[in-house]
Amino acid sequence: GAVVSQHPSWVICKSGTSVKIECRSLDFQATTMFWYRQFPKQSLMLMATSNEGSKATYEQGVEKDKFLINHASLTLSTLTVTSAHPEDSSFYICSARYTGGTEAFFGQGTRLTVV
Amino acid sequence: GIQVEQSPPDLILQEGANSTLRCNFSDSVNNLQWFHQNPWGQLINLFYIPSGTKQNGRLSATTVATERYSLLYISSSQTTDSGVYFCAVEPGGFKTIFGAGTRLFVKA
Repeated sequence: GAVVSQHPSWVICKSGTSVKIECRSLDFQATTMFWYRQFPKQSLMLMATSNEGSKATYEQGVEKDKFLINHASLTLSTLTVTSAHPEDSSFYICSARYTGGTEAFFGQGTRLTVV
Repeated sequence: GIQVEQSPPDLILQEGANSTLRCNFSDSVNNLQWFHQNPWGQLINLFYIPSGTKQNGRLSATTVATERYSLLYISSSQTTDSGVYFCAVEPGGFKTIFGAGTRLFVKA
């Protein structure tokens, strides 16, 4: 099956610093990747759609300057949380799909804690 | 936008019991998937089922696209089945929209 890997699995950072999260498709090429955010005991909320070689498309209410997304290759998308604050603490999950595919595969998630 | 409703929100089962989880969606969809989120947060693909019926071991799923619902059946539940079950749909444009989930706890 398709494997999507996220790194790091967890990170603690100080308020005001930036954190980068990587999402890699290990055994397939992914033209499109997605970033989700999940608060405790809640569902996954789509933050943005990341397309290789072009700008990400952000969902309404998501600050594009706060959450920088780069999709520089067909196997890697990155999410950078800039000037992180405690309210940015959350579980971030990426997903990817085969180019031309229909099924979404998810990474293991990154738990971000901002102190 | 499309609404995805899952029921029940919470479910407690005795080990060995059967259960049915439901997912209703408010508009036509291109794709539908069921996921199990384990206690560590990992989303595990259970079924890709935009229509029809599929079975995988103790789990099976049925989607009736024309009536806009999908069902996930768990038979002979085990403690390792505990976690959150999400239904996720793709209304179009490759976005996957999640329901609120059903939180399942299976008692030994």
